[in-house]
Amino acid sequence: DIQMTQSPASLSASVGDRVTITCRASQSISDWLAWYQQKPGKAPKVLIYKAFSLESGVPSRFSGSRSGTEFTLTISSLQPDDSATYYCQQFNGYPFTFGQGTKVEIK
Amino acid sequence: QLQLQESGPAVVRPSETLSLTCTVSGGSISNRSYYWAWIRQPPGKGLQWIATIYYDGSTDYNPSLKSRITISVDSSKNQVSLTLRSMTVADTSVYYCARQWGPLGWFDPWGPGTLVTVSS
Repeated sequence: DIQMTQSPASLSASVGDRVTITCRASQSISDWLAWYQQKPGKAPKVLIYKAFSLESGVPSRFSGSRSGTEFTLTISSLQPDDSATYYCQQFNGYPFTFGQGTKVEIK
Repeated sequence: QLQLQESGPAVVRPSETLSLTCTVSGGSISNRSYYWAWIRQPPGKGLQWIATIYYDGSTDYNPSLKSRITISVDSSKNQVSLTLRSMTVADTSVYYCARQWGPLGWFDPWGPGTLVTVSS
């Protein structure tokens, strides 16, 4: 199985801050990675797919990047509505696997 | 707009079999562009992919669960079903169904999920 190591587990930042979340794959997954946002009691929602592509309707402050097997989700200017848990998911091959999640809190 | 809705029992006894159904509305489950998946999340924990099915019945299973699960599709009802046998407390989770974008793809949209508790 491809392991996805996500960091940090949690973070606290202020409105307007730039926030980065990282996911490292245990092997090459090309660009086959998605990022999801999950709020309490709700299903995850896709933000980014194929490492870089912004899902329709998602604010442009969210962006994805890749360097080798390391993937980054960036929130350029944190907003109160961004308080949530974020997950990465690889879909390079079965079994699909997720990162452990990053809980983002607003100071 | 495509919508998915999971249904099934809220409580299952240990050793029993869980049967869940995902009803798709606003689109056809036979659309050849998409696959259909089940994902679960234990309370307070992360996400685990369970299984994926195509409209023609072809399947992929998580090896960690493969011996206990069956996924099936009923195109006439626009439904995908999941069966999980020999349930234990560790299977207590919110179970989600989702549309999968291609044979290797991301999940979007998701159903709201259904909490299944294993308890005697």
